[in-house]
Amino acid sequence: EAQVTQNPRYLITVTGKKLTVTCSQNMNHEYMSWYRQDPGLGLRQIYYSMNVEVTDKGDVPEGYKVSRKEKRNFPLILESPSPNQTSLYFCASSHRGGTGWVTQYFGPGTRLLVL
Amino acid sequence: GQQVMQIPQYQHVQEGEDFTTYCNSSTTLSNIQWYKQRPGGHPVFLIQLVKSGEVKKQKRLTFQFGEAKKNSSLHITATQTTDVGTYFCADTPSGGSNYKLTFGKGTLLTVNP
Repeated sequence: EAQVTQNPRYLITVTGKKLTVTCSQNMNHEYMSWYRQDPGLGLRQIYYSMNVEVTDKGDVPEGYKVSRKEKRNFPLILESPSPNQTSLYFCASSHRGGTGWVTQYFGPGTRLLVL
Repeated sequence: GQQVMQIPQYQHVQEGEDFTTYCNSSTTLSNIQWYKQRPGGHPVFLIQLVKSGEVKKQKRLTFQFGEAKKNSSLHITATQTTDVGTYFCADTPSGGSNYKLTFGKGTLLTVNP
């Protein structure tokens, strides 16, 4: 089954304690992306990757890091989490069709609370 | 940067009524994608529009891309309770140089049975 998986699904942590949210896709997609979703602000792109070892900033990259060492995995790293990073996080993947990027598949989401 | 405005923010309808959400931009949109997110769920891709004036249909859903590529709409005919959720549009790049997407803030649709 084609899917994007994220772990953990829920996480409560404290300010400053480094954490990693993993994301994996089994569709051999070149493109992966991280979003955060906040009430009233919708979905905002954090980072994206167009292929292995190629990453770039989205609209809200501050406080986050990513890496793309393998095609299937795209972890999101919070080196020193702060309360304003409390949010719902989604990972997504896609591939390129003739008219640009086609169907983007989202993971189930990771709900993060930073105390 | 690019801003995508989506209206209305909320819409409550009686089952059987029609529903429309609009996506507007002050600058030309590249491609438009539409997503649906059920309460507690993740966004699910519905469709992509590429061409100026394009109209696509999926059963009771009709998607349009404006002639000037500055707006798009999603229309649902005769809503059902299964249509409940938030509908998002996203401006998506048409070329290969980047993968930067900008989402509208979404329209939350509730349906009274």
